[in-house]
Formats: sequence, C-alpha cells, structure tokens
Amino acid sequence: GAGVSQSPSNKVTEKGKDVELRCDPISGHTALYWYRQRLGQGLEFLIYFQGNSAPDKSGLPSDRFSAERTGESVSTLTIQRTQQEDSAVYLCASTPDRGVTEAFFGQGTRLTVV
Amino acid sequence: LAKTTQPISMDSYEGQEVNITCSHNNIATNDYITWYQQFPSQGPRFIIQGYKTKVTNEVASLFIPADRKSSTLSLPRVSLSDTAVYYCLVGPLAGTYKYIFGTGTRLKVLA
Repeated sequence: GAGVSQSPSNKVTEKGKDVELRCDPISGHTALYWYRQRLGQGLEFLIYFQGNSAPDKSGLPSDRFSAERTGESVSTLTIQRTQQEDSAVYLCASTPDRGVTEAFFGQGTRLTVV
Repeated sequence: LAKTTQPISMDSYEGQEVNITCSHNNIATNDYITWYQQFPSQGPRFIIQGYKTKVTNEVASLFIPADRKSSTLSLPRVSLSDTAVYYCLVGPLAGTYKYIFGTGTRLKVLA
C-alpha cells in the first residue's frame, strides 16, 4: 500500500476484554515498531521487529501485551484483559531498513477501555 | 543510544522564525540527527535529517555546529498550522537502531 495502515481506527472495549490491533506496514519495510501514546504524552516504545530477528520486547508494559509479525508483513498487537490505563492511541511505524532511516507512521488506533 | 534534551514547550507568534535546540552531548561519530513533527491526533512525520553543518528543505532548516553536540531546528515564518510537537532523535543510518522518542518540544503558535 501507499502508507502504513492501522485498523481499527477506533476501538471501545469493556474492561477485562481482549483486543487485537492490526498494522500493515509499507511493503518491503523490514522494521516495524509499536508505540503507545496517552493523551498529552509522548510516544512510549512498546516493541520492535527487524526482519526475521527476534523482536525487541523491552517496552511492553506487562505480560498482558504481546505482538506478532509474520516475516516482513502484517503485525498484530494484542492486549489481554484490558484495563482502563490501557486507553491510549496505539501507533505503528515502519522503516525501510535498519538504522535511523525515515520512519513512516500509521494514523493510529484510539483504544478506549470503559 | 545518544540521549537528547529539548525544551518541553515553546510559544511563538505567526510570522516569526522559531528555533528549537536539541542537546546530544554523547552523539557518536556515525550518528545522524533527525527531527519529527507530530500534529494532534496524527502519527509523527519525518521533517529533516542531517549529519553536520546545515541542511535545508521546503519545511525547515537544520543547523549542526562542528562539535555536533547540539542541533537547532529552524522553522521560518511559522503559521498556526505549525503548532505541533517536535522530536529530536539521534542514531546511525546503518546497524541496529531502535526508534525511541523523547518527550519532544510542544510548539504553540499564537495569532
């Protein structure tokens, strides 16, 4: 596709339910990132995939959070047993290669836990 | 990873030039300096990148002194639509790099 695509754009869920967020990176981009951004806050790094290497999960805030990526394609971020503090915008980005090459961001998924 | 320090917020008026400085005292020899802009309710977008001296594009200029321990993003004649958060990042173009964003500088342009 032309850009990074995320779905859904908005998600309202009840506390305790599981949610799955999807990211379609730009075709051919080897690196993919997930971030969380709470209202009025900066971007909080969650997880980083680079090609077929083991993902860097150092930013995941708890074991309720997990992410998968198959090869260099779609990634899903799963939040189990959602809590109200999980409410945030979840942003995905992809870059063509390693290094600080230009990162392209999706529009994000706004998650609201009620 | 080279740590960066930026002002938390800045105010400016329409038509003024805005300069946002980022400190990166422990920048490595192969590190580049990259700036992103984030509008409300959008993901960040790349605006400029440089290694040394000066880089200019249609959006901004980036000034990097010889010691490279700081950099200044310059926005000429800002408008209300330049109200955004600006992030400075430092890292290599090659090799493993993890995009970690700091808190950024929240620029508010006033009429």
